[in-house]
Amino acid sequence: GENVEQHPSTLSVQEGDSAVIKCTYSDSASNYFPWYKQELGKRPQLIIDIRSNVGEKKDQRIAVTLNKTAKHFSLHITETQPEDSAVYFCAALYQKLVFGTGTRLLVSP
Amino acid sequence: GAVVSQHPSWVICKSGTSVKIECRSLDFQATTMFWYRQFPKQSLMLMATSNEGSKATYEQGVEKDKFLINHASLTLSTLTVTSAHPEDSSFYICSARNLGDEKLFFGSGTQLSVL
Repeated sequence: GENVEQHPSTLSVQEGDSAVIKCTYSDSASNYFPWYKQELGKRPQLIIDIRSNVGEKKDQRIAVTLNKTAKHFSLHITETQPEDSAVYFCAALYQKLVFGTGTRLLVSP
Repeated sequence: GAVVSQHPSWVICKSGTSVKIECRSLDFQATTMFWYRQFPKQSLMLMATSNEGSKATYEQGVEKDKFLINHASLTLSTLTVTSAHPEDSSFYICSARNLGDEKLFFGSGTQLSVL
C-alpha cells in the first residue's frame, strides 16, 4: 500500500523567512497530492493541492512542487507569519488518501 | 466548498459502552467516506473506506467487529465504537468525496474519551 514520508517533523523559522516541507510517496499510481494545515483539535484545512500532470502550483505565499519521477513533492511557504504556525500534513491519493507524518511549524515574531 | 457535518464533537463514556459517530455530507453526494483516527501529536491514520451501499474496507490492524461502519445513504455514514475501552480514546474524523472528484472534505472531528 501507499506510504508517505514527511520531513522535517518540526521546523522553527523567524517571521519573514521561508519554510520548506518535503514528502516522498511510494505508490506511483498516486495522482493527487494535497497539503493540509491542522490546528489543535480541529479538522485539517486544505491549503493547496497538485495533480500528477502538473509540476508546480502557486497560490500567493504558498507553492507546491511535484517530481513524479523521484516521487517527491514539497510545500514552500514564503514570508512566513506567526499565524502560519500549525501542523502541516502532506497526503497522497490513489484510491484512498494517505497522510504523511506531519510537520510542526513554529514561526517566531 | 462542500460541507461535512460530524456529530458529536466530543463524547465521554464509560468503558464497555458503545458510541456512535455520525458523518453527513450536507450539500453533495458522498459516494465514498473515509474514517480516520488521530492520537495526540500523531498523523491521521486511515481506519476504513466505505462506499455507499456496500461493506466498508478496513485497513490492516483495524478490528471490523469493534469499529462498525455503515454507509447506507449518499449523505450519511456512521462509525460505532463497540465496547469502548480507554485505549480507544482518540480524535475520530470522517471525510467524504464525490465520485470523480479528488478533493476530500473533512468533518469537524469527534474527541472520544473512554473512562
